[in-house]
Amino acid sequence: NAGVTQTPKFQVLKTGQSMTLQCAQDMNHEYMSWYRQDPGMGLRLIHYSVGAGITDQGEVPNGYNVSRSTTEDFPLRLLSAAPSQTSVYFCASSYSAGQPQHFGDGTRLSIL
Amino acid sequence: AQSVAQPEDQVNVAEGNPLTVKCTYSVSGNPYLFWYVQYPNRGLQFLLKYITGDNLVKGSYGFEAEFNKSQTSFHLKKPSALVSDSALYFCAVRARVSGNTGKLIFGQGTTLQVKP
Repeated sequence: NAGVTQTPKFQVLKTGQSMTLQCAQDMNHEYMSWYRQDPGMGLRLIHYSVGAGITDQGEVPNGYNVSRSTTEDFPLRLLSAAPSQTSVYFCASSYSAGQPQHFGDGTRLSIL
Repeated sequence: AQSVAQPEDQVNVAEGNPLTVKCTYSVSGNPYLFWYVQYPNRGLQFLLKYITGDNLVKGSYGFEAEFNKSQTSFHLKKPSALVSDSALYFCAVRARVSGNTGKLIFGQGTTLQVKP
C-alpha cells in the first residue's frame, strides 16, 4: 500500500514550457486535490475532484488544468510555465469530504 | 467564503510546558475541522479532526483540540511539549455541503519551536 505517490520529486522548467505533475493513489479514494505551498501563505487549493470524471476549481486555478479519467490518477498540467508558479505542489486524497486527507511528499518545481 | 486564520507565525515553548497553537475559522454552517503537521521536506500528516459531538477532540502524539462554536475557534493543545513536536502545524476547515463536495481550506501555518 503505497498511499499517495507524486512524480517527479524535483523539476526545473524554463518559462513557457509545459509539463504534467503526476499523482496516483492506491486507496480507492474518491476525493483528490492539488495544493501549492508557498512561504507564509500556507497551502492553497488549485483544483479538486470528487470522483472520476468530475473536477472543480479551487482558490488559485489559473494556469493549471486537471483531469480525472480514473479513480487512481489525478494529473496536474501546467500549460505555459511562469516564474510565479515556482512552488512546492502537494497532491492529497481522502475517502470522502469529511475524512482526513492523505498527502504525497510533494513536487518541488522551479521555473526560470 | 471559507477562511482560516492562524494568528501566530511562530510559537516558542520550553520542553515539558503546555503548548497552544491557535486557529479561528469562518464558514457557513457547521464545519469539519482538521489539524495537520508537516515535518521538513515531507507532506502533511493528519493529527486530529472535529466532525460532531464532544468539543474536546483527542488525536495523535498526545495532541488535542478544543472546538468552540461561539468563538469559531479550534485551538490545538498539548499538556507537555516535546522537542520532537517542533514542526509546522496547519489548521484546515471544510464546509458541510450536500454530496461529497466542499473545499478543504488551510490556514497559513504556525511553526512550533520546542526548546530543551
